[in-house]
Amino acid sequence: GIQVEQSPPDLILQEGANSTLRCNFSDSVNNLQWFHQNPWGQLINLFYIPSGTKQNGRLSATTVATERYSLLYISSSQTTDSGVYFCPTKSGGSNYKLTFGKGTLLTVNP
Amino acid sequence: KAGVTQTPRYLIKTRGQQVTLSCSPISGHRSVSWYQQTPGQGLQFLFEYFSETQRNKGNFPGRFSGRQFSNSRSEMNVSTLELGDSALYLCASRLGQPSYEQYFGPGTRLTVT
Repeated sequence: GIQVEQSPPDLILQEGANSTLRCNFSDSVNNLQWFHQNPWGQLINLFYIPSGTKQNGRLSATTVATERYSLLYISSSQTTDSGVYFCPTKSGGSNYKLTFGKGTLLTVNP
Repeated sequence: KAGVTQTPRYLIKTRGQQVTLSCSPISGHRSVSWYQQTPGQGLQFLFEYFSETQRNKGNFPGRFSGRQFSNSRSEMNVSTLELGDSALYLCASRLGQPSYEQYFGPGTRLTVT
């Protein structure tokens, strides 16, 4: 099945800094989503972005499906941005299973 | 519109027991998927149900089973619990084709002692 590689695995920022998280995929990207897992474990939807660029406030995401990668940009980071970020993608075929990478653990210090 | 809900939120069981977890999808969503999250294995797909039928199953032993009811609510059952089953179990719902976007519930944290 498809492999999802996320980088960096860990990232520590000072509040106000900008960051870029990256996901590389071993196969064609299908129906990619970005999630933020909060300290309580819930996965919060950030973007559904199979291709192109989207922006939502301080966050934006870009997926280049032909080159099998996606980027998440966080500007002016806040302590509430801390948590783990995932970029699962649907495997090929008719099933709707999401394949996850190991995530990027972001820590934003005040 | 209410989000995905899962009950219970926390559960402590003893090895050998069985457990049933419940998931109510977003109103109108017909697909429910279950995922297990552990520190060692990360997030792994368990199974997906759509219109009361299991559509896909992950690589888990037969002790893990599930079902979906006519109102799209889903239950997941784990029999003969093992210590390694301690995990966060997450449920996700999806509207159905052609929508692929999945929405996750808050999870059930299961501890097996």
